[in-house]
Amino acid sequence: QVELQESGPGLVKPSETLSLNCAVSGYSISSGFYWGWIRQPPGKGLEWIGSIDYSGNPHYNPSLKSRVTISLDTSQNQFSLKLTSVTAADTAVYYCASHAGNTFGPFDYWGQGTLVTVSS
Amino acid sequence: DIQMTQSPSSLSASVGDKVTITCRASQDISGLVAWYQQKPGKVPKLLIYTTSNLLSGVPSRFRGSGSGTDFTLTISSLQPEDVATYYCQKYNSVPWTFGQGTKVEIK
Repeated sequence: QVELQESGPGLVKPSETLSLNCAVSGYSISSGFYWGWIRQPPGKGLEWIGSIDYSGNPHYNPSLKSRVTISLDTSQNQFSLKLTSVTAADTAVYYCASHAGNTFGPFDYWGQGTLVTVSS
Repeated sequence: DIQMTQSPSSLSASVGDKVTITCRASQDISGLVAWYQQKPGKVPKLLIYTTSNLLSGVPSRFRGSGSGTDFTLTISSLQPEDVATYYCQKYNSVPWTFGQGTKVEIK
């Protein structure tokens, strides 16, 4: 069973970079599967941020593409999210998740989520 | 980009009622739609993938159907534990867009 756990600062200042990690247990991220980030502003719906395959090839939401970087760290069996130039609109619960079916399928396993607040 | 329009945004129904939620894509998505359930304060949970396939452990009162651009999640007999927000998601191509969500409450 795959388990995911997000970590990172809960408070980021406007214009700075949001950085989160997702530690994966129960599976080696370099062996397969595809990994993603989703966010949910307070009281709102889900927004896909981006995903990455086990070879390190990323795909990004066009609406965020200029500010997002997703990468793998196989030595730590984790993947990461960086979002630059944040504003209050980036305040959200950030989830990491795995795509089902060893392809870019739907998201079957999710982390518990971490709230990131953008505020000075 | 293909848009996913989900309706209604909220509904209230009695225990035992049949509930229907729809999701319309702006283009054919080849049946590659999933449905999630998010209970208050909880993590989204995948219920259905590829239009109509239930994940193991999902009650049989949940059913997905549709084709082309129009897809439906049906709860055949609403139970108190089904109170949640439900989201559709397309995954045929980037971006993997979610619908706006449907909040289901008990009347």
